[in-house]
Amino acid sequence: DQQVKQNSPSLSVQEGRISILNCDYTNSMFDYFLWYKKYPAEGPTFLISISSIKDKNEDGRFTVFLNKSAKHLSLHIVPSQPGDSAVYFCAATYSGGGADGLTFGKGTHLIIQP
Amino acid sequence: EAQVTQNPRYLITVTGKKLTVTCSQNMNHEYMSWYRQDPGLGLRQIYYSMNVEVTDKGDVPEGYKVSRKEKRNFPLILESPSPNQTSLYFCASSTRRTGNGYTFGSGTRLTVV
Repeated sequence: DQQVKQNSPSLSVQEGRISILNCDYTNSMFDYFLWYKKYPAEGPTFLISISSIKDKNEDGRFTVFLNKSAKHLSLHIVPSQPGDSAVYFCAATYSGGGADGLTFGKGTHLIIQP
Repeated sequence: EAQVTQNPRYLITVTGKKLTVTCSQNMNHEYMSWYRQDPGLGLRQIYYSMNVEVTDKGDVPEGYKVSRKEKRNFPLILESPSPNQTSLYFCASSTRRTGNGYTFGSGTRLTVV
């Protein structure tokens, strides 16, 4: 059973516009969420995170929104730049109890078109 | 430079020939983990370690072993590799299980023929 779902395998956005990447989760125990960015031939790099006590976290051009009731989070990139073209992974974990690591979604390939 | 170093980057081997993929981090992180990335399946956790001599299975541990004798090293061992273990492998480390995210290595592309 997939606990973290990214239902869009790919997304194409024009340079300068807003990119919105979506992520849904099913495990209500998750209370910490992260986004990673991955270029080909490189490891994923941490982008931004959000705790379940917040509904928004912003870092420069990147903003993550969390809707706990809908078990949904989204990553907004404004404005989109060519260097943003990459695969984006949503990840989730729970900070209390157990020792499991991050559970990742399958990723969304973002393509920024000039 | 703070980093996670994996070796080798690329490896082609034959079925049944034991191999080890090394992983080393220089950030004094307690938590280390191995993931594999496969098309359409994303990143799946193989094994993780909370600290020295403490390891546990992730979601897809079958066919793999790990050890954590030192804090900085977390090797992944395939005792008898099979073609279904052909994949892209990533090692990651963190100060704690959640934190501000893992630091990943650059990956090891393994092909088992």
